[in-house]
Amino acid sequence: DAGVTQSPTHLIKTRGQQVTLRCSPKSGHDTVSWYQQALGQGPQFIFQYYEEEERQRGNFPDRFSGHQFPNYSSELNVNALLLGDSALYLCASSSGTGNEKLLFGSGTQLSVL
Amino acid sequence: KQEVTQIPAALSVPEGENLVLNCSFTDSAIYNLQWFRQDPGKGLTSLLLIQSSQREQTSGRLNASLDKSSGRSTLYIAASQPGDSATYLCAVDPRGSQGNLIFGKGTKLSVKP
Repeated sequence: DAGVTQSPTHLIKTRGQQVTLRCSPKSGHDTVSWYQQALGQGPQFIFQYYEEEERQRGNFPDRFSGHQFPNYSSELNVNALLLGDSALYLCASSSGTGNEKLLFGSGTQLSVL
Repeated sequence: KQEVTQIPAALSVPEGENLVLNCSFTDSAIYNLQWFRQDPGKGLTSLLLIQSSQREQTSGRLNASLDKSSGRSTLYIAASQPGDSATYLCAVDPRGSQGNLIFGKGTKLSVKP
C-alpha cells in the first residue's frame, strides 16, 4: 500500500498564476484534508472533503478551492497566487471516524516568485 | 479560539539522554491530541494519539501524557538517539472529525552523537 500520494513534489509558479495540487488517499480511506505549512510554522487546516463535498473549511480565502473525485482522490486549486502562498501543502487521509491516526503525504513544496 | 503552544522551540541534547517536550492548549474541550514527527521538508508521521478520556499512551521509547483540565500534554522520549532528530508537533482535534486539527509550531530536536 503506497499510503497517501501527493503530486507534484515541487512546483515553482509566478504571482497571479493558478496551480493544481493532487492527492491520492490511502486505500480504504474516504476522507481527505488539506493543510498549508509555512516555513517554521505548524500546518494550518484549509478544508476537508468527504463524499465529494467540502465538509469543513478553515480560514482561507475563496482563492483556495478543492474537489474530491468518486475514487476519493482530491485536488487543491489556488488562483491568483500571491508570494505568501509559498508553503508546503500537505494532504492527509482518514476513514473519517474520530480516534484514528491521521495519515499524511509527503507534501508539495510550492514556491511563488 | 483554541491555541496550541509548544515549548521549547528548539532543543539539543547528547545521545542517550531522556527528554520531555511540552505542549499546552487553551481550550480543554478536545476530542483527542496527537503527537507528530516531521523530518525536514517532509510530511508528518503520527506517533501517538491520546483520546480525551485517556491519561497516557506509550509506543516503544515514547510516552505521551494528557491532562485536559490543565490544558497540557508532554511527550517523553527515553534514551534518545541521533535518529530521533526531527521536529515534533502536537495537534488537538476539537470535534473528532479528523479534519480541523490545530497544531503548535513544533519543537525542533537535535540529538548529538
